[in-house]
Amino acid sequence: QSALTQPASVSGSPGQSITISCTGTSSDVGDYNRVSWYQQPPGTAPRLIIYEVTNRPSGVPDRFSGSKSGNTASLTISGLQAEDEADYYCSSYTRSSTPVFGGGTKVTVL
Amino acid sequence: EVQLVESGGGLVKPGGSLRLSCTASGFTFNTYSMYWVRQAPGKGLEWVSSTSSGSDYIFYADSVKGRFTISRDNAKNSMFLQMNSLRAEDTAVYYCARDYFRVPKELYYYMDVWGKGTTVTVSS
Repeated sequence: QSALTQPASVSGSPGQSITISCTGTSSDVGDYNRVSWYQQPPGTAPRLIIYEVTNRPSGVPDRFSGSKSGNTASLTISGLQAEDEADYYCSSYTRSSTPVFGGGTKVTVL
Repeated sequence: EVQLVESGGGLVKPGGSLRLSCTASGFTFNTYSMYWVRQAPGKGLEWVSSTSSGSDYIFYADSVKGRFTISRDNAKNSMFLQMNSLRAEDTAVYYCARDYFRVPKELYYYMDVWGKGTTVTVSS
């Protein structure tokens, strides 16, 4: 199972909106609404911020939103804040009943 | 407090073995599917293995199949990863994680609780 494709880096100024794409295939992202997103600041464990494509766990700010179209899922961070600087990973369920992660995107707040 | 604590990492020679443990507290461990995820130095996340709440369903990544074995002891709120025939490319921080949903015999792979990780280094 190949990793999902994410841009290596995305940057934005405070207050701006950024979007991270996550491209898979018809065997994973395109076939299931089981996409999740994780935030990982340096030196810490990942944190679940989106599940089931669009849903936020309790405690995650509504600045974070998810969507999906075809084989590509997206994470949008609105009103970018300095604390959002981290690595972000997407993940999708696959036809093998196993998950696959994206390669990760480093978000920089300028 | 809901918590996962990994242990058992260390330095091992290629071809050697290690057994990782994940001890859970603060939640009903025997109702959740559980996962191992690793992260090589400077690299991204890689799913390693999964077990449903009652060990009915177990899966492995192709990269570890036949070498790693996942198990759990619900009476002791613990999950394990027996790692044999270790290779340099197994060097990573190993995290255990819990599924967000509690559904018997189902693995959603939404990992909402993570441990801090334990470091495995395979080197001669």
